[in-house]
Amino acid sequence: SQQGEEDPQALSIQEGENATMNCSYKTSINNLQWYRQNSGRGLVHLILIRSNEREKHSGRLRVTLDTSKKSSSLLITASRAADTASYFCATVRTTSGTYKYIFGTGTRLKVLA
Amino acid sequence: DAGVIQSPRHEVTEMGQEVTLRCKPISGHDYLFWYRQTMMRGLELLIYFNNNVPIDDSGMPEDRFSAKMPNASFSTLKIQPSEPRDSAVYFCASSFRISTDTQYFGPGTRLTVL
Repeated sequence: SQQGEEDPQALSIQEGENATMNCSYKTSINNLQWYRQNSGRGLVHLILIRSNEREKHSGRLRVTLDTSKKSSSLLITASRAADTASYFCATVRTTSGTYKYIFGTGTRLKVLA
Repeated sequence: DAGVIQSPRHEVTEMGQEVTLRCKPISGHDYLFWYRQTMMRGLELLIYFNNNVPIDDSGMPEDRFSAKMPNASFSTLKIQPSEPRDSAVYFCASSFRISTDTQYFGPGTRLTVL
């Protein structure tokens, strides 16, 4: 199965509510990144958290990382309709001298106005 | 900077034809990545280059797929011969460093093989 499994697969909330997405992975990592993808577009980087960090903030985004559980969560506070998109986690790890960059399955977020 | 540029944006071809996708990375970025995105398999890394040299092509699905980077500002992904199961959106991305840097994605090429 994929390195990054995201949960839930889809999420629908009202504007102003918080949205939480989770990502689980299987191996040790160098860092974990979250990306957003609007329909029909390329991915846009949101935030990176290193393996020795536990929490990181960027604007309305909060990311946590628990390396013992091999999981991460992305929290979007005070959601807006413009946050409607798919969100992906990506893990970066080294193996045999090369980097492995693996994306999760994604969470489709819909924010209702 | 214009960002990562990909062409064409849409490609429709018939099974057995050769398809060439093109990518221009952001100037100064040393790493270039090719991804494929489908509903069934999600986003898969196909190959990445460092300073124009292919580093890891373990994600390339078959010998029908090949990628080149003749210089720092241009890369191609070629499928020959194409098959209907190759239908997907193909993304190119670039970054300055690989481990800790953001990847900047292009808008993608939507490939349909009939």
